[in-house]
Amino acid sequence: AQKITQTQPGMFVQEKEAVTLDCTYDTSDQSYGLFWYKQPSSGEMIFLIYQGSYDEQNATEGRYSLNFQKARKSANLVISASQLGDSAMYFCAMRETANFGNEKLTFGTGTRLTIIP
Amino acid sequence: DAGVIQSPRHEVTEMGQEVTLRCKPISGHDYLFWYRQTMMRGLELLIYFNNNVPIDDSGMPEDRFSAKMPNASFSTLKIQPSEPRDSAVYFCASSFAGLVIKSQHFGDGTRLSIL
Repeated sequence: AQKITQTQPGMFVQEKEAVTLDCTYDTSDQSYGLFWYKQPSSGEMIFLIYQGSYDEQNATEGRYSLNFQKARKSANLVISASQLGDSAMYFCAMRETANFGNEKLTFGTGTRLTIIP
Repeated sequence: DAGVIQSPRHEVTEMGQEVTLRCKPISGHDYLFWYRQTMMRGLELLIYFNNNVPIDDSGMPEDRFSAKMPNASFSTLKIQPSEPRDSAVYFCASSFAGLVIKSQHFGDGTRLSIL
C-alpha cells in the first residue's frame, strides 16, 4: 500500500481563491510527522509546513494551513487567497518516528497546482 | 545563511562514463540525504547519513551507485558506469536532529542526462 497518496495530479484554481490539496497517509506508527513541500518550475524543493501526530492544533504558516484529521489519516494543505506565484508542484511527505533516529521521508506523487489570473 | 549547495547543476555525459555529484550540507546539520527524482518514479530516497555514517542505503538502485561522506561538510554520489536510465534530477538535502521540526532543506539539484 502507498504510504502517501495524493489523488489530484493537477488542479486549476482562480487567483485569490482558496485551494485545498489532498493528502492521505498510511502508517501503523503512533508517532509520525507530516510535511508539505513546494517545487516551483525552477526545480528547488521548498519546505512549507509541518504537523506532528501528537499536535492538537492544526499547523499554520502564513497563508498555509494543514487540515489534520488523524482518524481519517488525512493531512490536506490549504492555501488561502491564492497567488500566481503559488503555481507549482506540491508534495506531501511523512516521517515515521516510532524507530528512534529514523529520518526517512516518504513522498507522495505530487499535485501540480496552476493559478489562473 | 548558505543553503545546501550541489554541484554541478547540470551534467550531460555519455553512457559508461563515471559521474560524480557533490553536496555541501548546511553547516551544523547532522543528517544528509540523497534523493533521485524522475517522472516515472517520483522522488526516491537513495541513501542517508547521520554524523557522516551511512544509516540506510536501501534505496540505492544497484552496485553502480555509491555514496560517501568523508566529513561533515561534504558528500558525493557516484555512478560508475552510468546508463541512460540514470538520467534524473538528483537532490541532496540536510537536516538537524536537534530541532523539533526536523524539516529537510534541499539543494537546487543536479540535472543529470546520460546519452
